Amino acid sequence: GDSVTQMEGPVTLSEEAFLTINCTYTATGYPSLFWYVQYPGEGLQLLLKATKADDKGSNKGFEATYRKETTSFHLEKGSVQVSDSAVYFCALSATGVAGNMLTFGGGTRLMVKP
Amino acid sequence: NAGVTQTPKFQVLKTGQSMTLQCAQDMNHEYMSWYRQDPGMGLRLIHYSVGAGITDQGEVPNGYNVSRSTTEDFPLRLLSAAPSQTSVYFCASSYSGPRNTEAFFGQGTRLTVV
Repeated sequence: GDSVTQMEGPVTLSEEAFLTINCTYTATGYPSLFWYVQYPGEGLQLLLKATKADDKGSNKGFEATYRKETTSFHLEKGSVQVSDSAVYFCALSATGVAGNMLTFGGGTRLMVKP
Repeated sequence: NAGVTQTPKFQVLKTGQSMTLQCAQDMNHEYMSWYRQDPGMGLRLIHYSVGAGITDQGEVPNGYNVSRSTTEDFPLRLLSAAPSQTSVYFCASSYSGPRNTEAFFGQGTRLTVV
């Protein structure tokens, strides 16, 4: 079945450091790929998405590129801020899945220190 | 806009008790779903619905029931609570559009079964 694997955390960085959170997936066909973010005490919210190979999703300084050849969708940010501290989830919506249901990775907690 | 509203936010149950987690959305979304979030396992799909009167099982449906009598509401029922159901529960909704359609999440219900 479909699955998403992302690096375990926590990831601890100093402010203005470069961030990479790795995400790889297994799915048949051509899934849509997402990064969701969960701030403390809140639900998940969409950070960015990509629909097809070589698409780049971007938002709030975060970027991720849909790499079909390596089945990856790594999240990057050039300079993190304390306000980026959150849990990040990589997810996919597979071809033909009823209701566009999402398959999630395990989540990566990011902690940014001043 | 309220978006997706879940109640209660916190709940403690004794083993064997039953309860209903409420979920309501005001965006006229066709698709609704319930996930549980456990440490290191991301979010796993419990049940979902593609419209009023239509529900189906997700990855981890055992011990849970759902119904969808209206577009707005999608309650999740625990029939006889077990400690293994201690988790954070999220309700989500989305349009019945393409696979890259954004899902909107509630703030979650933290359930502890003792």
